[in-house]
Amino acid sequence: EAAVTQSPRNKVAVTGGKVTLSCNQTNNHNNMYWYRQDTGHGLRLIHYSYGAGSTEKGDIPDGYKASRPSQENFSLILELATPSQTSVYFCASGDAPRDRVNNQAPLFGEGTRLSVL
Amino acid sequence: KTQVEQSPQSLVVRQGENCVLQCNYSVTPDNHLRWFKQDTGKGLVSLTVLVDQKDKTSNGRYSATLDKDAKHSTLHITATLLDDTATYICVVGDRGSALGRLHFGAGTQLIVIP
Repeated sequence: EAAVTQSPRNKVAVTGGKVTLSCNQTNNHNNMYWYRQDTGHGLRLIHYSYGAGSTEKGDIPDGYKASRPSQENFSLILELATPSQTSVYFCASGDAPRDRVNNQAPLFGEGTRLSVL
Repeated sequence: KTQVEQSPQSLVVRQGENCVLQCNYSVTPDNHLRWFKQDTGKGLVSLTVLVDQKDKTSNGRYSATLDKDAKHSTLHITATLLDDTATYICVVGDRGSALGRLHFGAGTQLIVIP
């Protein structure tokens, strides 16, 4: 069954610490995404990847790095965590949409709730 | 600037009632529009996708419309159930790149009460 698995599901970090959020997909999708979700905002794109070895900046990349070592795995790295990065982070996988027949929905993980104190 | 606006922000209905959620957007180009359901503490699950200039879809008790000329979509839920309590998110996909960039609304929080 197709799935996107995020770990950890919850994380408390200290300001200035390093945080790594992991994402694994079993869907054989080329594209993977990291978003953050904050109250009153839609999901915002942090980084994305076209495939193993590629990472691209999204709309709000500052303070974040990404790593795509394989087709299945995509990590989000906070080198120096700050309280403003307290949020819920979602990983998704998918392929470029075309028409309705081929327009498969991106699949989302269940989220990682990160608190930076 | 927010490119996808959803209304209302929140909505309370009684079980069995119908409801309508609205989505207005300014994304250009607009390749497709998708509605997601997000249960509390969970990820987003796709309900339906609309792609044509004037489109309609139906998926059980969920039906949706899209008018690309008006840049407007609606999601109708008929005979609501307690399990329909969730946040419903409108997402517009553009053709800005082969990746198909997605633009997310902030969601409508629906609460269904007995």
